[in-house]
Amino acid sequence: GAGVSQSPRYKVAKRGQDVALRCDPISGHVSLFWYQQALGQGPEFLTYFQNEAQLDKSGLPSDRFFAERPEGSVSTLKIQRTQQEDSAVYLCASSQTDRGPDQPQHFGDGTRLSIL
Amino acid sequence: GESVGLHLPTLSVQEGDNSIINCAYSNSASDYFIWYKQESGKGPQFIIDIRSNMDKRQGQRVTVLLNKTVKHLSLQIAATQPGDSAVYFCAENFLPSDYKLSFGAGTTVTVRA
Repeated sequence: GAGVSQSPRYKVAKRGQDVALRCDPISGHVSLFWYQQALGQGPEFLTYFQNEAQLDKSGLPSDRFFAERPEGSVSTLKIQRTQQEDSAVYLCASSQTDRGPDQPQHFGDGTRLSIL
Repeated sequence: GESVGLHLPTLSVQEGDNSIINCAYSNSASDYFIWYKQESGKGPQFIIDIRSNMDKRQGQRVTVLLNKTVKHLSLQIAATQPGDSAVYFCAENFLPSDYKLSFGAGTTVTVRA
């Protein structure tokens, strides 16, 4: 497809369960980002990949959060032992190059995660 | 219609009027700024960006103005249409990284018919 694709669009899980969220970036985009967006707030940075390398994971809230991009394309964000405070929209974005801030990040429509 | 002051969470504007959305950014060393539009249930959609070596940049029906002296960014939308109703976010390149975006809280724009 032409844009960033995320699945599932909605995920409901019970507290304590593990979840996996998928992101298909725009074809050929080198950089991939994950953001967390709480209700009524702007997105907050979680982690950044350049190809398959995770160069920054400073925004991950805890060690229950794990992200990977093993072949430099599709990425998965995994949350283990989910807590209610993990409920949010998880957004994935990609950009064309690794050449700093000149390339805008293009976002998918997100996965809305609800923890019961 | 115009959002005044540093930040106003909502802006109501008459269809056909021009809209001005204001944003104060936090870091005087930030060198890249970007405006996104987010409709309900969707991800942020890129509108326009600007580097710090520019004061103004125009797109289709939109203009971004950057005032580095007072750390202020604005988005002007000409002839606002019902489809412009959304939440608008400004974001700055979050130094010292050159890729991490820091988003503002957003302004909800409602277009009145």
